Amino acid sequence: AQKITQTQPGMFVQEKEAVTLDCTYDTSDQSYGLFWYKQPSSGEMIFLIYQGSYDEQNATEGRYSLNFQKARKSANLVISASQLGDSAMYFCAMREWRGQNFVFGPGTRLSVLP
Amino acid sequence: DVKVTQSSRYLVKRTGEKVFLECVQDMDHENMFWYRQDPGLGLRLIYFSYDVKMKEKGDIPEGYSVSREKKERFSLILESASTNQTSMYLCASSLSGQSHGDTIYFGEGSWLTVV
Repeated sequence: AQKITQTQPGMFVQEKEAVTLDCTYDTSDQSYGLFWYKQPSSGEMIFLIYQGSYDEQNATEGRYSLNFQKARKSANLVISASQLGDSAMYFCAMREWRGQNFVFGPGTRLSVLP
Repeated sequence: DVKVTQSSRYLVKRTGEKVFLECVQDMDHENMFWYRQDPGLGLRLIYFSYDVKMKEKGDIPEGYSVSREKKERFSLILESASTNQTSMYLCASSLSGQSHGDTIYFGEGSWLTVV
């Protein structure tokens, strides 16, 4: 079964507007970490933001914030004031307490329109 | 800054060839990973290693093997390349799982085409 689900294969957003990329996850662990990565067309994976399962506050990093709803097992990425350079693939990932591995979702391709 | 370096960015190989993809990290990370990335499938784990000479199969190990003789180096081997192994391969490293907040760091990727 899919551990990470990203239901939006592609998204469009107007420059300067905010956008939310969805991520839901499945785990039986109480302790885990959630991550978002950006992959531009050049291919490198860039770490954006991290949320621990015990963190009470939603994580924020500059224009990125993570809307963490533990009961719903969702960890949506919010990008505020979109820029043309935000056009990329975005991957949600999870690291469970018992594992060393990172499990990734299928990704969402975001296109920012001028 | 953590650096994960993949030796080849673009490769074209013939069916049946033996292919080596090399990866080196410079942050003394215990864990190293090889992922394969295909459109619509995200990143799928091929193998990972949590220590020198230690390895564990990931989700799609068939047709691949790995080698970790030194802590900083993790090699992916395609014993006999096939066209369905045409893909982007990503190497990554991380600290061991003492804290699940330790992120994973990626190389730039190796685009392999098997003809």
